[in-house]
Amino acid sequence: GAVVSQHPSWVICKSGTSVKIECRSLDFQATTMFWYRQFPKQSLMLMATSNEGSKATYEQGVEKDKFLINHASLTLSTLTVTSAHPEDSSFYICSARGGGEGEKLFFGSGTQLSVL
Amino acid sequence: GENVEQHPSTLSVQEGDSAVIKCTYSDSASNYFPWYKQELGKGPQLIIDIRSNVGEKKDQRIAVTLNKTAKHFSLHITETQPEDSAVYFCAVSFGNEKLTFGTGTRLTIIP
Repeated sequence: GAVVSQHPSWVICKSGTSVKIECRSLDFQATTMFWYRQFPKQSLMLMATSNEGSKATYEQGVEKDKFLINHASLTLSTLTVTSAHPEDSSFYICSARGGGEGEKLFFGSGTQLSVL
Repeated sequence: GENVEQHPSTLSVQEGDSAVIKCTYSDSASNYFPWYKQELGKGPQLIIDIRSNVGEKKDQRIAVTLNKTAKHFSLHITETQPEDSAVYFCAVSFGNEKLTFGTGTRLTIIP
């Protein structure tokens, strides 16, 4: 299957700082990328959908100004958590669709964010 | 919107036995049904998927069955091994629209 690379795998930051997470499709062009958030022992919660070159579509209840998503190329999407606070601590996972795989969605390895 | 229910939430199986996880969905228009395996601290890994024009699909020890009429689909793992221990998620979508995930099943294989 297609490979999606996500970095960093974990990050610790101070409250009030911003954190950027990168998601890259390594061997295919991702027409659509999705960003999820996952709390311990819970399912994946979709935050936003991004298509290359256009603005991201955010799910209800997700703050656009808090979670900035940029999908500047067909192989790279970034999620920036701005002015992070402890309640933003979570496991963030990106996923990508494309490369002739139809509906198949491939996930990155996730980023554990801890805000002190 | 789509609603996906997944059962059981936890499942313990003796090594070598079979495990079955079931999901039901609400939107009859949904036509894509993947299953993901997630190990601790990692992202979900696609293990098998099925489309609505197929009733069953098998890949070695893993199989998925779909009943469109009843709107449910199941994951079957045979000859379970310790490395099968993980959390399994079902998901549902219509075409290339967003996936709706089930609540997950924590599968433990007892050696």
